[in-house]
Amino acid sequence: GQQVMQIPQYQHVQEGEDFTTYCNSSTTLSNIQWYKQRPGGHPVFLIQLVKSGEVKKQKRLTFQFGEAKKNSSLHITATQTTDVGTYFCADSGTYKYIFGTGTRLKVLA
Amino acid sequence: EAQVTQNPRYLITVTGKKLTVTCSQNMNHEYMSWYRQDPGLGLRQIYYSMNVEVTDKGDVPEGYKVSRKEKRNFPLILESPSPNQTSLYFCASGYRADEQYFGPGTRLTVT
Repeated sequence: GQQVMQIPQYQHVQEGEDFTTYCNSSTTLSNIQWYKQRPGGHPVFLIQLVKSGEVKKQKRLTFQFGEAKKNSSLHITATQTTDVGTYFCADSGTYKYIFGTGTRLKVLA
Repeated sequence: EAQVTQNPRYLITVTGKKLTVTCSQNMNHEYMSWYRQDPGLGLRQIYYSMNVEVTDKGDVPEGYKVSRKEKRNFPLILESPSPNQTSLYFCASGYRADEQYFGPGTRLTVT
């Protein structure tokens, strides 16, 4: 079946450094959603991308959907301690969701 | 306040003792879903429901049952829990397969 992998699995950065997580699918993605889960919390929706090559920005966060719709990335500029958490991508398809394995971000002050 | 609620939040049980985890949403969402989260495996979908009386299997449905008799409720039933079902469970809801709102989670331990 479809597999959605994220790299890296873990990332430690100094506050102020940039961070990128990559989401790669074994099959073509329908739509891609990104979620953030703070430690001890539940996933919270960040954004959805639907078009090939789409780029969306939310303040310091930039989301990109690959041209072939088989990968996506989330880039955070100048990380802050509030960015700590695990970031998940998800193929939302029709109604069946396939989540990526997640990237856990730690930000050192 | 718009929210997804789950009960119980924590549960320790023994192998074979049937249990139900309730999920309720007050946002009139058509779509509801159950996930389990295990270290290193991310979130895996167990079952989902597109609307009342319409449910379908996700990636890991074995050992679980669901029902959707009302739009707001989507209980998860473990008829005969086993230790490999020890996990963190999340319920989620949304309009169709758009943005999902997650509940706070239920941490289940089966001994």
